[in-house]
Amino acid sequence: KNQVEQSPQSLIILEGKNCTLQCNYTVSPFSNLRWYKQDTGRGPVSLTIMTFSENTKSNGRYTATLDADTKQSSLHITASQLSDSASYICVVSADRGSTLGRLYFGRGTQLTVWP
Amino acid sequence: SAVISQKPSRDICQRGTSLTIQCQVDSQVTMMFWYRQQPGQSLTLIATANQGSEATYESGFVIDKFPISRPNLTFSTLTVSNMSPEDSSIYLCSAWDRTPSGANVLTFGAGSRLTVL
Repeated sequence: KNQVEQSPQSLIILEGKNCTLQCNYTVSPFSNLRWYKQDTGRGPVSLTIMTFSENTKSNGRYTATLDADTKQSSLHITASQLSDSASYICVVSADRGSTLGRLYFGRGTQLTVWP
Repeated sequence: SAVISQKPSRDICQRGTSLTIQCQVDSQVTMMFWYRQQPGQSLTLIATANQGSEATYESGFVIDKFPISRPNLTFSTLTVSNMSPEDSSIYLCSAWDRTPSGANVLTFGAGSRLTVL
């Protein structure tokens, strides 16, 4: 069964601290993995997209890693800011022979950054 | 990147009534998607809206409950019919977009938060 599991479910950190969010998946065949950020009252916004051959990808203070062998990904946030408070969603795409494969969504990690 | 606008952003409805959510994309797209996001749950695809043909519904969702229109390549509507409190959720419209680097990214509207009393 194709699944995406994220941990922790929620996380509270102090402003300026770093944190790492985890995503484990069983989706096969694998096409790509995306991390989205969803602010309260907004739709998800793409942070990174990683294909099978990519191990690390950065977007500002966000760094995503991918281990396709163990089917794990992480999203590391450096020097957190209050604006980082949001839900972070891991999305895995199954390969259907095109780049627009079926998507499997995690439940998200709710991050709260306190001043 | 594409901008997707949804309305209403939120509404409170009475049981048994219907509500239509509108989704406007600022560029032409082949497929538009409707998702439901319930508290603590992952996004669930309701249906794919194609211009000129009937929407394709996912398992567990039916046209009578969630009729969809797609009159052109930039617009779609989702109606939630005969609502019950279990339909209280966020409904999201989305479409594929292409980043400057050429990657396909699923872009979402801000969502419509529906509360059924």
